[in-house]
Amino acid sequence: DSGVTQTPKHLITATGQRVTLRCSPRSGDLSVYWYQQSLDQGLQFLIQYYNGEERAKGNILERFSAQQFPDLHSELNLSSLELGDSALYFCASSVVGGDYGYTFGSGTRLTVV
Amino acid sequence: AQKVTQAQTEISVVEKEDVTLDCVYETRDTTYYLFWYKQPPSGELVFLIRRNSFDEQNEISGRYSWNFQKSTSSFNFTITASQVVDSAVYFCALSTTTFTGGGNKLTFGTGTQLKVEL
Repeated sequence: DSGVTQTPKHLITATGQRVTLRCSPRSGDLSVYWYQQSLDQGLQFLIQYYNGEERAKGNILERFSAQQFPDLHSELNLSSLELGDSALYFCASSVVGGDYGYTFGSGTRLTVV
Repeated sequence: AQKVTQAQTEISVVEKEDVTLDCVYETRDTTYYLFWYKQPPSGELVFLIRRNSFDEQNEISGRYSWNFQKSTSSFNFTITASQVVDSAVYFCALSTTTFTGGGNKLTFGTGTQLKVEL
């Protein structure tokens, strides 16, 4: 157990639907990062939050949004889902920055049918 | 911009062979961190090593060793006496201090699929 909890582990949904992925960071970590791993795009950085505030944005689609709550857990919302959104979504957390390393959750496998 | 290149898409070896996975990185920052992660078939990302840009000492951990050379911007990973359980995708990643206020994203290479056969 890495200490980063992602739920659900698997998710199957239809095109056009909306889903929410949840991440609880390791205790004491203030930063949360979201990554998307698809077969054709590799591991892509989506977005980062630090202590509730958005700090960096990567290749995140407008249909996707995220937030970090006061208890530091984070949610990634994916809407108007398309087949191409099928991927493994990882959450990672760190104490402050990357200087102390990153801890990854086990991922949420999203399948859009 | 940061970039990590893993030119080897797939490597196949026979058990007990040594294998080296290459990683070349690009960054303009003088302070940065390099990582290796292992992704077994089960899908999770397993942390292997973190190295900062000021520490060029090579590191050995059991059958694993890492060679960091700033002169060539490379951070190669060698598995000695490979085993079937080493079969996985291995990712090299780079983190810099680009972002202020607490957090630097990881930029990943495309990964190297290692297959170790009996």
